[in-house]
Amino acid sequence: QKEVEQNSGPLSVPEGAIASLNCTYSDRVSQSFFWYRQYSGKSPELIMSIYSNGDKEDGRFTAQLNKASQYVSLLIRDSQPSDSATYLCAVGQGAGTALIFGKGTTLSVSS
Amino acid sequence: GAGVSQSPRYKVAKRGQDVALRCDPISGHVSLFWYQQALGQGPEFLTYFQNEAQLDKSGLPSDRFFAERPEGSVSTLKIQRTQQEDSAVYLCASSLVTGGPDTGELFFGEGSRLTVL
Repeated sequence: QKEVEQNSGPLSVPEGAIASLNCTYSDRVSQSFFWYRQYSGKSPELIMSIYSNGDKEDGRFTAQLNKASQYVSLLIRDSQPSDSATYLCAVGQGAGTALIFGKGTTLSVSS
Repeated sequence: GAGVSQSPRYKVAKRGQDVALRCDPISGHVSLFWYQQALGQGPEFLTYFQNEAQLDKSGLPSDRFFAERPEGSVSTLKIQRTQQEDSAVYLCASSLVTGGPDTGELFFGEGSRLTVL
């Protein structure tokens, strides 16, 4: 069974701090990795994608991928209360297959 | 509109009723996906279309669930003889990349929230 694991949280950080979200996946042949943000009652929206080992930065967000360890992470710098949401890790298994999602980590940023 | 459109946004059904949920993807998007999201869970894959071809339906939980996309655009997810465990948000997503979701971003609709009494 292909699985994507995330700590459900909640992860609580003060405003301005760095939030670190982690994800592990079971299928070694996974090729693409995504972080989606989902506000309560809303649909998921893509915030980061990463396909190769290393770091990828976009504004306050940094995605990190380590395929050998089957580990993906998302760092949010200078966390804001508006970052409070559930963050979903999603993994792609290859062409013609669907993304597999984790259960999500709830982040709470306090002002 | 420019995004993925789903209807109805909310549906209440009595147990045993049939329901139909509609998804209108972003114009030109070849790939279309249906996911089921229970409260407090991540989206669970149901089925995937490339144009009008249903390439993967391995996630459909039972033969009461049926999806179609006859003209390669609008898709309908039908649930027959609904049960309480079918209560969830049904998310539709589309993608421009024809090779599958491994390289393309999925654009999600707002979802259809189904409550079965």
